[in-house]
Amino acid sequence: SSELTQDPAVSATLGQTVRITCQGDSLGSHFATWYLQKSGQAPMLVFSGRNNRPSGVSDRISGSSSGNTATLTISGVEAEDEADYYCNSWDSSGNHVVFGGGTRLTVL
Amino acid sequence: QVQLVQSGAEMKKAGDSLTISCQTSGYTFSTHYIHWVRQAPGQRLEWVGVIHPSFSTTTTYAQKWQDRVAFTKDTSTNTVYLDLIKLTSDDSGTYFCARDQGVYSRTWDYWGPGTLVTVSS
Repeated sequence: SSELTQDPAVSATLGQTVRITCQGDSLGSHFATWYLQKSGQAPMLVFSGRNNRPSGVSDRISGSSSGNTATLTISGVEAEDEADYYCNSWDSSGNHVVFGGGTRLTVL
Repeated sequence: QVQLVQSGAEMKKAGDSLTISCQTSGYTFSTHYIHWVRQAPGQRLEWVGVIHPSFSTTTTYAQKWQDRVAFTKDTSTNTVYLDLIKLTSDDSGTYFCARDQGVYSRTWDYWGPGTLVTVSS
């Protein structure tokens, strides 16, 4: 299957570490790419590949992968981290992009 | 600096056709793929397809859209266009263009602000 599955929502208190997961068959062969999207805004790239974080993105954000699951970890959660987080990968053809359903992070 | 500027909101009726634009600046237009992504209200991001704005234009469309969508480009204005025909209310949403950082990758480093499309039945 080409589908990517994310938990719809996760919450964290200020300063906690939160892990957002993305599951799918294609992740056994490809790294996930992660985007965050704040309300009413365009998505923004936050992590890609094995260990690539764009300049300007907080170093509290990191990514990892194990088997068919990719994980985006946010350490020391801050209020500004509240957003929807999306993963993407390739479909089974390897030529088309698929997105997960998104995970809404609420900071308590 | 790299910028992607999209055309304004559109209100259409079912059966109409749609054209939205994404004008790029701040980099060499012909060297980066441009992807299109749709987001229905309150829903996930959906990949619509990709165009490479080179002399030999290459396009790839998601299966869901391939019979109704076409991407074109104007190298004189560094603009790519999304054309969508036979609109239905299911086509409503915000359409984003995004610049591919690499060579046909999933890493898109600059995004347009989105174009809101509303289709009434």
